Amino acid sequence: EDKVVQSPLSLVVHEGDTVTLNCSYEVTNFRSLLWYKQEKKAPTFLFMLTSSGIEKKSGRLSSILDKKELFSILNITATQTGDSAVYLCAVRHSNYQLIWGAGTKLIIKP
Amino acid sequence: NAGVTQTPKFQVLKTGQSMTLQCAQDMNHNSMYWYRQDPGMGLRLIYYSASEGTTDKGEVPNGYNVSRLNKREFSLRLESAAPSQTSVYFCASGQGLDINYGYTFGSGTRLTVV
Repeated sequence: EDKVVQSPLSLVVHEGDTVTLNCSYEVTNFRSLLWYKQEKKAPTFLFMLTSSGIEKKSGRLSSILDKKELFSILNITATQTGDSAVYLCAVRHSNYQLIWGAGTKLIIKP
Repeated sequence: NAGVTQTPKFQVLKTGQSMTLQCAQDMNHNSMYWYRQDPGMGLRLIYYSASEGTTDKGEVPNGYNVSRLNKREFSLRLESAAPSQTSVYFCASGQGLDINYGYTFGSGTRLTVV
């Protein structure tokens, strides 16, 4: 059965810390892996990764994919309280369907 | 530019009642999706529409029906609501997953069935 597992389920850190969120997957016909940030409402798109070893960056956020070991990490450096959210990982295994992880709830304390 | 608009934002139904969740997008996207989100389970696909005129079942379609009314609108109907359908429902749209921006989500509908 296809699955996407995120860890940790929740994480509490202090402002300024660096965090690493994990996403592992077992999915047939892997196409791509996506990261989303969900605050109170709708998930918002962060990154899409298709190739191993190529880092995607956006400001203090970065992500990388390892297709051999079947995982991805999302790094956030110099965290701010505005980074508090649930971070979702999803894997695309067909043209239109994604398999989603349960998310990592990140809390940044001032 | 509104993106993806969902209505209503909140709804309480009694068991057995019916309702339709509305979704509209103004980004000229081809594909549209309905998800439900439950605590600890992530997002689960209910139905999707790859393009105008087509709809397909996702992971959890039982108890739901959909209509792709036109390219902009994709509605989700609960014919006879059950407490197990208490959830947050999200509509999303996408041009296609080969483009580097993923889906755009609506702000969600929190549905409670009592």
